[in-house]
Amino acid sequence: NAGVTQTPKFQVLKTGQSMTLQCAQDMNHEYMSWYRQDPGMGLRLIHYSVGAGITDQGEVPNGYNVSRSTTEDFPLRLLSAAPSQTSVYFCASRQGVLNTEAFFGQGTRLTVV
Amino acid sequence: GNSVTQMEGPVTLSEEAFLTINCTYTATGYPSLFWYVQYPGEGLQLLLKATKADDKGSNKGFEATYRKETTSFHLEKGSVQVSDSAVYFCARYSGAGSYQLTFGKGTKLSVIP
Repeated sequence: NAGVTQTPKFQVLKTGQSMTLQCAQDMNHEYMSWYRQDPGMGLRLIHYSVGAGITDQGEVPNGYNVSRSTTEDFPLRLLSAAPSQTSVYFCASRQGVLNTEAFFGQGTRLTVV
Repeated sequence: GNSVTQMEGPVTLSEEAFLTINCTYTATGYPSLFWYVQYPGEGLQLLLKATKADDKGSNKGFEATYRKETTSFHLEKGSVQVSDSAVYFCARYSGAGSYQLTFGKGTKLSVIP
């Protein structure tokens, strides 16, 4: 089982560049989310989606964009990269019931110079 | 607001020592509670969960009991192994109908032979 797949695993960007972090899941999960992980901060929610065509902002959405055209894919776009976006990014998915476990991808380590 | 507070590390233990990692949550409703583990270079994976008061979650020798009276969900293991070295996160959903998992800041555990 592939589960949640994120690409790339590592990326270095220059300030001002744009890029898309890819996330795909093969479990037919309704909910998908993007988190960023920073030292001493835990994980913070960037954007989430409750189904194809529906997205919403999380705790730290500024500088990021998302879309959900299919159930499987939930890409995260950095519009104009800034050093403050240097972080490890995790995509997660889960079924639509509140108490269910979230499944995480292996992460993308992004450095903005 | 809805939050999770866990003891900050790092924690260093000798093999076969007893482990406790404290976690408390704000008492808004009766949230499901989770412990996630992140091994080096990997994404988060569910370690255990509890969905109501007095529930005990257990997995791989780890246990945590949902204590409503103390709003706590402390993680324990009687005898840690080197392979338990990882970062542990306590988490809850942010409220009824919420899609957001709120994480503690994480506790890094190192187990030495």
